[in-house]
Amino acid sequence: DAKTTQPTSMDCAEGRAANLPCNHSTISGNEYVYWYRQIHSQGPQYIIHGLKNNETNEMASLIITEDRKSSTLILPHATLRDTAVYYCIAYYTGANSKLTFGKGITLSVRP
Amino acid sequence: NAGVMQNPRHLVRRRGQEARLRCSPMKGHSHVYWYRQLPEEGLKFMVYLQKENIIDESGMPKERFSAEFPKEGPSILRIQQVVRGDSAAYFCASSQAWSGNQPQHFGDGTRLSIL
Repeated sequence: DAKTTQPTSMDCAEGRAANLPCNHSTISGNEYVYWYRQIHSQGPQYIIHGLKNNETNEMASLIITEDRKSSTLILPHATLRDTAVYYCIAYYTGANSKLTFGKGITLSVRP
Repeated sequence: NAGVMQNPRHLVRRRGQEARLRCSPMKGHSHVYWYRQLPEEGLKFMVYLQKENIIDESGMPKERFSAEFPKEGPSILRIQQVVRGDSAAYFCASSQAWSGNQPQHFGDGTRLSIL
């Protein structure tokens, strides 16, 4: 599985967009980019995933660069409840492949 | 739709006892994954099961740990002769299929404490 790198932390103001970057320069053609978040000690929550095209759902948007070496998760209107650790993961289903959670990025939304 | 259900939410055991953690996948999901999160660390994959089959157990400790996903009923993660180092949060996830395009959905975990 491709290794992903994320900043350690970032913050944003409530009501503003939160843009969380992720680098995955060694991603292979069959690996999807997945985003999960973990709020305090709850279970990881699936947010969104994509392969090549940008994706949007009710929670967030995922922007993947054309060369697929990086992506950005966008929370359009961050709320205090979006404060969490966000994980960017490159994942495919193949022999010995598994979801690998790194350290993630801690997003703090301030009032 | 009910999400992934794990029970118990909290489990306390004394050293040497057995711990049984249960996981009911989301409706329609036949693929189950177990992860462990030690304090202040990230989630680590343990095992992947389909109904009645263990597909990948590369993350399971070789001794004392076992997992099953019977034809009927929940998936069970069993830890025999627990030790202090087994104290952790254990998360179960399920997916509809084994595909990069099928997300895994997680339960809220079982917090295991060993006295």
